[in-house]
Amino acid sequence: AQSVAQPEDQVNVAEGNPLTVKCTYSVSGNPYLFWYVQYPNRGLQFLLKYITGDNLVKGSYGFEAEFNKSQTSFHLKKPSALVSDSALYFCAVRDGSSNTGKLIFGQGTTLQVKP
Amino acid sequence: GAGVSQSPRYKVAKRGQDVALRCDPISGHVSLFWYQQALGQGPEFLTYFQNEAQLDKSGLPSDRFFAERPEGSVSTLKIQRTQQEDSAVYLCASSLVGTAKNSPLHFGNGTRLTVT
Repeated sequence: AQSVAQPEDQVNVAEGNPLTVKCTYSVSGNPYLFWYVQYPNRGLQFLLKYITGDNLVKGSYGFEAEFNKSQTSFHLKKPSALVSDSALYFCAVRDGSSNTGKLIFGQGTTLQVKP
Repeated sequence: GAGVSQSPRYKVAKRGQDVALRCDPISGHVSLFWYQQALGQGPEFLTYFQNEAQLDKSGLPSDRFFAERPEGSVSTLKIQRTQQEDSAVYLCASSLVGTAKNSPLHFGNGTRLTVT
């Protein structure tokens, strides 16, 4: 069965420092991986996806993610954090066993960026 | 509109009442998903429509939950005889292509249901 794990409930970084939000996955077949961000009382906003190709994927708002097949990881990164990046981040994998294309989400990681 | 629209934004229901939650997907989007997000959790899949066909309802937690999309556009999620454990945010998402694996989902802002 497809699944994703986000091992950290919360990540704290200082503004201007690099940030990493971790995600590991388990899939049968090729992984299709996504990152979403959720601000309070809002829906999820798409940040970036990995389908195939370069292991470093660039997305919205300066975020990028590194796909590592041997470690089955897809960590979200940003070189310099902003206070406005503080939000809830979800990693997701496409369910390859389903014909619906549904996403399976991790439990989420709260990112707190302090000034 | 430009995005996925959900209404109402907030719904308070007394235990035992029926509720109906509406989703207006992005115009032309074939796929429509409903997710349930409990407090502090990630979204959990409920059901999937491709146009008007409900192709997957494996995530619906009980037969009190029912979803429809009769004309392949607007969708309604209905919960009968609400229970306290139904309290959650219900998210609707749409995507342009039916089952393309690289097609991201576009989410609405959700409906927060509180059952008292």
